[in-house]
Amino acid sequence: DVKVTQSSRYLVKRTGEKVFLECVQDMDHENMFWYRQDPGLGLRLIYFSYDVKMKEKGDIPEGYSVSREKKERFSLILESASTNQTSMYLCASSSGLASSYNEQFFGPGTRLTVL
Amino acid sequence: AQSVTQLDSHVSVSEGTPVLLRCNYSSSYSPSLFWYVQHPNKGLQLLLKYTTGATLVKGINGFEAEFKKSETSFHLTKPSAHMSDAAEYFCAVSDSRGYQKVTFGTGTKLQVIP
Repeated sequence: DVKVTQSSRYLVKRTGEKVFLECVQDMDHENMFWYRQDPGLGLRLIYFSYDVKMKEKGDIPEGYSVSREKKERFSLILESASTNQTSMYLCASSSGLASSYNEQFFGPGTRLTVL
Repeated sequence: AQSVTQLDSHVSVSEGTPVLLRCNYSSSYSPSLFWYVQHPNKGLQLLLKYTTGATLVKGINGFEAEFKKSETSFHLTKPSAHMSDAAEYFCAVSDSRGYQKVTFGTGTKLQVIP
């Protein structure tokens, strides 16, 4: 089974802190994604990566950055956390093979609260 | 461009009655379509997917969905709701041209009344 793990289930940080959210997948997937989920807005794509050291902006990249130094690990960084970044953050991965039809596999999520 | 519209933000059914969650999509290319379920404070789990071939797709826990190209729809159904089906459901679309992005709908919360 594909497993996507996230470093924390719950996280509480203060405004202005630098925050790191870590995601690891064990299926040798090429693609990795970070979403934030807010009530009524569904999942919104922050950043994604299709290869090591490659990254692409999603729909809402402002205030975030990412790092992918190893194929299995994709980190989301909040350079200076703000209260409007309080949200559920979901990491996902998918195979780069055409036969996967872009099916994504999700981690359990990190609920981040910024005070 | 691809997009998904989930027509109901909340659906309430009685236990043992049918479930219908509606999804319409837009895609410039042949789409792959997905339904995911999310239980409270959990990640998303794939229920079923349509890629090619048979348009009626069966998934886990008795759910199924039918791809209707003429109606650009991919509605999720289940003949008889269980209490354990109470969750949020997301429809998603990805076109087939090799682009890796998947676009998600805003979700439908299913309430099951005993």
